[in-house]
Amino acid sequence: DTAVSQTPKYLVTQMGNDKSIKCEQNLGHDTMYWYKQDSKKFLKIMFSYNNKELIINETVPNRFSPKSPDKAHLNLHINSLELGDSAVYFCASSQVEMNTEAFFGQGTRLTVV
Amino acid sequence: QKEVEQDPGPLSVPEGAIVSLNCTYSNSAFQYFMWYRQYSRKGPELLMYTYSSGNKEDGRFTAQVDKSSKYISLFIRDSQPSDSATYLCAMSGGYQKVTFGTGTKLQVIP
Repeated sequence: DTAVSQTPKYLVTQMGNDKSIKCEQNLGHDTMYWYKQDSKKFLKIMFSYNNKELIINETVPNRFSPKSPDKAHLNLHINSLELGDSAVYFCASSQVEMNTEAFFGQGTRLTVV
Repeated sequence: QKEVEQDPGPLSVPEGAIVSLNCTYSNSAFQYFMWYRQYSRKGPELLMYTYSSGNKEDGRFTAQVDKSSKYISLFIRDSQPSDSATYLCAMSGGYQKVTFGTGTKLQVIP
């Protein structure tokens, strides 16, 4: 069983479209994250949720809206996609106290054309 | 200046070599130091983490933290082709935000 799973794995879409990426973890963790990794491999946190509550929002444009229906799921919705949004988006999870040990999904490679 | 600086690489070594990967940082509040390994087109996976200064060993991997110099290292002994990946250092102050380095790409040549 995959611990942290994201769908879709690849996403190609046109500028201006709205898209969603889904994430689920079966580790029983309380905290989930969204990270963005650019073409230079720089991994930067976007959001953190703890028990469905937003904890960290790292100056991400409000076109990005995370939604956590329960603590095992954290989805990312992106409105009005721009070319600069092209990147790999990683979902991750950890225990609250063990944020040093985050488990990552396999990533969603988003390409905006 | 970035909070975390990592040698960009890429680093190419022969099989069996000792590999040294390094990061420096500027935020003295960092207490937890991690090393992640990321294979091509995969998510990062945690290799090791240490708290505060000191050494930690796990098999062929040794992590070192020198807080006085704000410098951390990961050593890989007897490197194998399967170690070829990008290695990301990461650190945090104990809160939930973790700051990553930009990664060093390592290639171990058989």
